[in-house]
Amino acid sequence: DQQVKQNSPSLSVQEGRISILNCDYTNSMFDYFLWYKKYPAEGPTFLISISSIKDKNEDGRFTVFLNKSAKHLSLHIVPSQPGDSAVYFCAASSRYGGATNKLIFGTGTLLAVQP
Amino acid sequence: EPEVTQTPSHQVTQMGQEVILRCVPISNHLYFYWYRQILGQKVEFLVSFYNNEISEKSEIFDDQFSVERPDGSNFTLKIRSTKLEDSAMYFCASNHPGTGDGEQFFGPGTRLTVL
Repeated sequence: DQQVKQNSPSLSVQEGRISILNCDYTNSMFDYFLWYKKYPAEGPTFLISISSIKDKNEDGRFTVFLNKSAKHLSLHIVPSQPGDSAVYFCAASSRYGGATNKLIFGTGTLLAVQP
Repeated sequence: EPEVTQTPSHQVTQMGQEVILRCVPISNHLYFYWYRQILGQKVEFLVSFYNNEISEKSEIFDDQFSVERPDGSNFTLKIRSTKLEDSAMYFCASNHPGTGDGEQFFGPGTRLTVL
């Protein structure tokens, strides 16, 4: 049951350039989409999120775009820095009964930023 | 900055033994979660917990698993009789309802190795 998909297992970019990580989903009932960054042997770290009622959210070097008609979201990192090298997970959740539901994760994309 | 903590960082056990993984969520959070990540796979939801009861559990969370909030700060995951396939990283997460876009904050994880 792959409700959230990240089709690129890895991505390599040059320092200073833009990194674009992509994510597709199948469940139109998702209310929130989130990006997490993960280093080996550490827990996922929340990066940025977007509500389904928006199409863009920006926080510093990170911008998430949501295209609901295509069921697609992307994370843009600009400029990319070597410290951004990590696995990036896309996640989605739906809200019911006033509570926040489980996160459903994609398989992750390993980003390598070359100095 | 408050953070989720987990102990132990690494647990090695024999097949059939009971293990208890411990978590201290962020103090003003009300929703608690356990996830796991088998090596090389995606992060998977196990269970959510609110108001001293399970809100939702996945099909992975069978009768061998249980969760408890024994006091005001700890949140535990017990596996009664471990199997080889329970070897994974186990992550605890927490969040507060109504804030942000449902982001959950993860602990550093416990690596469980079942021999």
